[in-house]
Amino acid sequence: DAGVIQSPRHEVTEMGQEVTLRCKPISGHDYLFWYRQTMMRGLELLIYFNNNVPIDDSGMPEDRFSAKMPNASFSTLKIQPSEPRDSAVYFCASSLGGAGYGYTFGSGTRLTVV
Amino acid sequence: TQLLEQSPQFLSIQEGENLTVYCNSSSVFSSLQWYRQEPGEGPVLLVTVVTGGEVKKLKRLTFQFGDARKDSSLHITAAQPGDTGLYLCAGAAGGYQKVTFGTGTKLQVIP
Repeated sequence: DAGVIQSPRHEVTEMGQEVTLRCKPISGHDYLFWYRQTMMRGLELLIYFNNNVPIDDSGMPEDRFSAKMPNASFSTLKIQPSEPRDSAVYFCASSLGGAGYGYTFGSGTRLTVV
Repeated sequence: TQLLEQSPQFLSIQEGENLTVYCNSSSVFSSLQWYRQEPGEGPVLLVTVVTGGEVKKLKRLTFQFGDARKDSSLHITAAQPGDTGLYLCAGAAGGYQKVTFGTGTKLQVIP
């Protein structure tokens, strides 16, 4: 298996622009998680899905953030409009059975909003 | 909100030395995981411990879950440059979806 695949690896955008981050989880994994990592706050859970259904989005910072999982092999995290404080590394992770059993993380998308 | 404090925050040692990283909380966890993250990559799962007092070994790495399931330690014997990275503990509680990550320990092993 190729693991969790995220794209793009790097994204630089101007404030106010829409940004879409993409994730392909490991085939067969029933949970998908979106995390954000910064130096100040570490790893923060934004939202997670179980069998393509959003279960908990309480970590999504604002209405500017939205996430979808239209099928078991694809998810997106969208920021519209983007702001400089959104600059961070965004990780997608998948799991079989739930977070307590351990995650497989993607390589992340480093987002810079200027 | 459960907090996981790791210590030390930073550690720089010579190749061949031993070290221990600690992960502490006032909360009880149903399971605890350790990850290593290298620059530019996502965290990689090293181990999951679920039973109080459990000890797991992974080559030169020894992981222990506290008896009360509130703390954990990671001991590395004869550290090598390849051990360099950010070590993160993560605790699951209140159902297997509520995972809290620790503050991290940045380890540098100098050849």
